[in-house]
Amino acid sequence: KAGVTQTPRYLIKTRGQQVTLSCSPISGHRSVSWYQQTPGQGLQFLFEYFSETQRNKGNFPGRFSGRQFSNSRSEMNVSTLELGDSALYLCASSQTAGGRGDTQYFGPGTRLTVL
Amino acid sequence: DQQVKQNSPSLSVQEGRISILNCDYTNSMFDYFLWYKKYPAEGPTFLISISSIKDKNEDGRFTVFLNKSAKHLSLHIVPSQPGDSAVYFCAASRSNSGNEKLTFGTGTRLTIIP
Repeated sequence: KAGVTQTPRYLIKTRGQQVTLSCSPISGHRSVSWYQQTPGQGLQFLFEYFSETQRNKGNFPGRFSGRQFSNSRSEMNVSTLELGDSALYLCASSQTAGGRGDTQYFGPGTRLTVL
Repeated sequence: DQQVKQNSPSLSVQEGRISILNCDYTNSMFDYFLWYKKYPAEGPTFLISISSIKDKNEDGRFTVFLNKSAKHLSLHIVPSQPGDSAVYFCAASRSNSGNEKLTFGTGTRLTIIP
């Protein structure tokens, strides 16, 4: 079974631009969660989608948004990029909503650099 | 407010010895704890977990200890092997709240010295 895939793997943008990241979950998984990893903050939860609905949201500004499609693929969008948005963005999939950590499978991440 | 803290950013251990990684949490509502391992250019992978009804869980070379009164958990790896060199994250969740998002620590980089 193929793992979680994320595209692109690397991205360089400038301040003020917007960016869209994509995540394809493991086949059969209906829940996708997004995390931001930075050196000083570790992994911080952004949001979770299940069956095309946002089920849970972390403490990030409204510039961070996401959506999930009927095939469970998910996209994350960041508008008006700031330097502090430079991070590794990870998505994780699980079969059920709010899957416990031991049933979440992470993708390799998208490394976003904002110049 | 960092609810899950890993106060040691890095740790170096001789191969064959015991590695002990520590994690503290502040939210007493957390009742499920996990450790993840992350290699460069890969996503975190689940390593071991423990429910708050237990104080120890063992899986091969890996043992997690939970001290609820101290709000502290630790991961023991024995014997340590070069392949254990990675960043280790602890995470916590509230399993019965319907809000099972994971709260992660900042990670500890473990280096095993051959």
